[in-house]
Amino acid sequence: QSALTQPPSASGSPGQSVTISCTGTSSDVGGYNYVSWYQQHPGNAPKLMIYEVSERPSGVPDRFSGSKSGNTASLTVSGLQAEDEADYYCSSYAGSNNFVVFGGGTKLTVL
Amino acid sequence: QVQLQESGPGLVKPSQTLSLTCTVSGGSISSGSYYWSWIRQPAGKGLEWIGRISTSGSTNYNSSLRSRVTISVDTSKNQFSLNLNSVTAADTAMYYCARWSTMVGTFDPWGQGTLVTVSS
Repeated sequence: QSALTQPPSASGSPGQSVTISCTGTSSDVGGYNYVSWYQQHPGNAPKLMIYEVSERPSGVPDRFSGSKSGNTASLTVSGLQAEDEADYYCSSYAGSNNFVVFGGGTKLTVL
Repeated sequence: QVQLQESGPGLVKPSQTLSLTCTVSGGSISSGSYYWSWIRQPAGKGLEWIGRISTSGSTNYNSSLRSRVTISVDTSKNQFSLNLNSVTAADTAMYYCARWSTMVGTFDPWGQGTLVTVSS
């Protein structure tokens, strides 16, 4: 069982927006601003898409955005494109003992 | 640009020790505020953090694996390694190495991953 809770699936049509949630506790998501999102296409390693809740690494399209409210973080993909179809994982720093926890992943389907 | 590459046996027998090495290229493993981590992913399942090591040798492990895991670093070779003993079929997974940034709390970059199967 994953420490962070994500919906197993999400979907949207090209051009639409989709939001994926990631729910933790005050010991991880709610306690730190070190929430990251990773995109994983089949057969590939995860790729960093969002860090520190809402920051985008260089090269990541601004269609990807992140936010957090309380113990829940969210990833929004706007203007969906076919290449956005992938699995998305959230992670959060969880303190010096547990270090980091991942969500169970969300499969995003572009209809 | 830093790149990571995992290497090691793809098949391990039950009860034996899984040993993998991650080679860091494009930069020194000792530079910057980083920890070097191992993460695994069973087929069709999510990501599980295994453990991390600093270049000074400080380690942290996932509590569920702590009794079986050892991570070490060889700065002269720009490598770090994973040993997981007493493996079972449940340890069959894709194993990734990744760099953890203490500044921004991210795993980036990742290695391409290596599939390890536990079977007799």
